[in-house]
Amino acid sequence: GAVVSQHPSRVICKSGTSVKIECRSLDFQATTMFWYRQFPKQSLMLMATSNEGSKATYEQGVEKDKFLINHASLTLSTLTVTSAHPEDSSFYICSAPQRDQLSYNEQFFGPGTRLTVL
Amino acid sequence: QKEVEQDPGPLSVPEGAIVSLNCTYSNSAFQYFMWYRQYSRKGPELLMYTYSSGNKEDGRFTAQVDKSSKYISLFIRDSQPSDSATYLCAMAGGYQKVTFGTGTKLQVIP
Repeated sequence: GAVVSQHPSRVICKSGTSVKIECRSLDFQATTMFWYRQFPKQSLMLMATSNEGSKATYEQGVEKDKFLINHASLTLSTLTVTSAHPEDSSFYICSAPQRDQLSYNEQFFGPGTRLTVL
Repeated sequence: QKEVEQDPGPLSVPEGAIVSLNCTYSNSAFQYFMWYRQYSRKGPELLMYTYSSGNKEDGRFTAQVDKSSKYISLFIRDSQPSDSATYLCAMAGGYQKVTFGTGTKLQVIP
């Protein structure tokens, strides 16, 4: 199947700093990518939908000024956690469906990024 | 009420047992039903994908969907220690947005 990569896999930062997480589709193009957050023993919660060439769509309760999303190309979306705080510590996962599919199709998930804010 | 309900477990079974994992949901618009397997600190991987009601079998795995009851199941036959993971049910109404269950942690004991 298709491959989605994330970088970094793990990051530890100090409170108040910003952290950028990259999500890449390696062998296919993705006009849309999804960003999820997963707290321990909880499910994946959709944070936002990243759209190539336009603004991201955020889920209710997710601060768009805190979680900046940039979908700069058909293979790359970035999530920047600005002014990170300990409560932002979580497992961040991106996914990308195949391009130009109008109905549901398989989403390929990245391996995730473990963020720890001290 | 959550859109998707899933018993978090943990579920512990001996090797070779048949495992039954279940989810219920409330949104009638869901048409696509998936089961993902997630190992610790890894991204989810798709196991089974079913459209609408019915059964689907793939090796030791069988997925069942009962839309009238809003109930889906995943059966694992001849369970192996390597099946130990968290299993997430997931559903979509279309256009790619997916809603996940909380996941059931499964441990298969040798």
